[in-house]
Amino acid sequence: NAGVTQTPKFQVLKTGQSMTLQCAQDMNHEYMSWYRQDPGMGLRLIHYSVGAGITDQGEVPNGYNVSRSTTEDFPLRLLSAAPSQTSVYFCASSRTGTGGQAFFGQGTRLTVV
Amino acid sequence: QQPVQSPQAVILREGEDAVINCSSSKALYSVHWYRQKHGEAPVFLMILLKGGEQKGHEKISASFNEKKQQSSLYLTASQLSYSGTYFCGTDRALNFGNEKLTFGTGTRLTIIP
Repeated sequence: NAGVTQTPKFQVLKTGQSMTLQCAQDMNHEYMSWYRQDPGMGLRLIHYSVGAGITDQGEVPNGYNVSRSTTEDFPLRLLSAAPSQTSVYFCASSRTGTGGQAFFGQGTRLTVV
Repeated sequence: QQPVQSPQAVILREGEDAVINCSSSKALYSVHWYRQKHGEAPVFLMILLKGGEQKGHEKISASFNEKKQQSSLYLTASQLSYSGTYFCGTDRALNFGNEKLTFGTGTRLTIIP
C-alpha cells in the first residue's frame, strides 16, 4: 500500500524556472492538500482540493497553481521560482467525514538559488 | 490565526511526563495532533471534536476545552520513541475532510535515556 507518493524528493531550481511537484494517492481519498514547511513556521496551507475538478486557495497561495483532474493526482506548479519558495513541501490526503486523519507524503525539499 | 503552541521545546528523561498546549484566538471545531520525526512526514496521533472530549492513544492522551479554545496533549511515562516535533492542527468549521487545517509552529520534544 503506497499511500501518498511525492516526487521528486529533492530539487534545486534557478530563480525564474518553473516546475511541477507531483503528488499521487492510492487510497481513493477525496480531499488533498499542499503544505509548505519552513523552520519555525510549522506547516502552512498552500492550496487544497475537495474532489476532482475542485480546488481552492489556502493561506499562502501566491506563486503556486494546482489542478485536480483525477481523484488520485494533485500536482503543484511553481510558475516562476523565487528564493522565498525554498522550503519542504508536503502533500496530504484524507477521507470524507470528520474524524478522518490526514496522510502525508514524504515531502519534497526544494531549494531555489 | 495560527494556533500558539507551548512550550516551543522540552527535554525529558525517559519515564517523565510532559504536557504540550495549543491555544487559538478563534473558536474551534476540532483539534488534530500530529508528530513528526526529523526528516519524515507528520504522522496522525488523534483528533478531538467540539464537545470537550478527551482521547487517548497508548500513553498519549489529549483534551479539548472549546470554551477556552485550548487543547493539551499529555505524554505519560515518556519513551525514547516519543521524540519528535508535535504539531496541533485546528479547524474552525465543520469540514468534511482535513484539507484546511491550520497548524501551530510545533513543540520539539527530546527524550534522553
